[in-house]
Amino acid sequence: SAVISQKPSRDICQRGTSLTIQCQVDSQVTMMFWYRQQPGQSLTLIATANQGSEATYESGFVIDKFPISRPNLTFSTLTVSNMSPEDSSIYLCSVESLGRNYGYTFGSGTRLTVV
Amino acid sequence: KQEVTQIPAALSVPEGENLVLNCSFTDSAIYNLQWFRQDPGKGLTSLLLIQSSQREQTSGRLNASLDKSSGRSTLYIAASQPGDSATYLCAVYPAAGNKLTFGGGTRVLVKP
Repeated sequence: SAVISQKPSRDICQRGTSLTIQCQVDSQVTMMFWYRQQPGQSLTLIATANQGSEATYESGFVIDKFPISRPNLTFSTLTVSNMSPEDSSIYLCSVESLGRNYGYTFGSGTRLTVV
Repeated sequence: KQEVTQIPAALSVPEGENLVLNCSFTDSAIYNLQWFRQDPGKGLTSLLLIQSSQREQTSGRLNASLDKSSGRSTLYIAASQPGDSATYLCAVYPAAGNKLTFGGGTRVLVKP
């Protein structure tokens, strides 16, 4: 299955600033998914990122707040903009692995605390 | 709209006891169901994936069953160990390349 390197693993940020999270995959994938997990909650999809096109956002998430880049088939970034304490969450990227060990694979997560 | 529910939300057992974790989903038109493990503050580790045409999958002490018609899956962990303490999440998706819909998770504590 695909291996995802996600960074940073954690950060503490001041309100009003922005943080960019990176995910690097060891193989080419068509779609990458970005999720948010608020404290004590399950995962909620933020957006789906295809290479060469704009990301598709889920209801409740907008591009101005969570801009996404997908410059090639192995890399994507998610930016959390103009942060507030309510943005404190774990952010995770995910890809679907094909072949023998298929299924969804997740990055190790970015634990964000906004103060 | 697909909804996934996991019961119980939390479970505490003594070491050696078998664990039974339940997952139910409202729309039986799923492609696959996947079980994950999450340690506190970390990402998700895939445990088992069951295709919609399968009834169960096994890996070591883990066994997952799927009854698509009734919208249920069960994850069994035999002879639990303290290292099994984590949150277990199930997720379904309707087609290849589609987003996952997650349950709320079951937080498991295995006491030595």
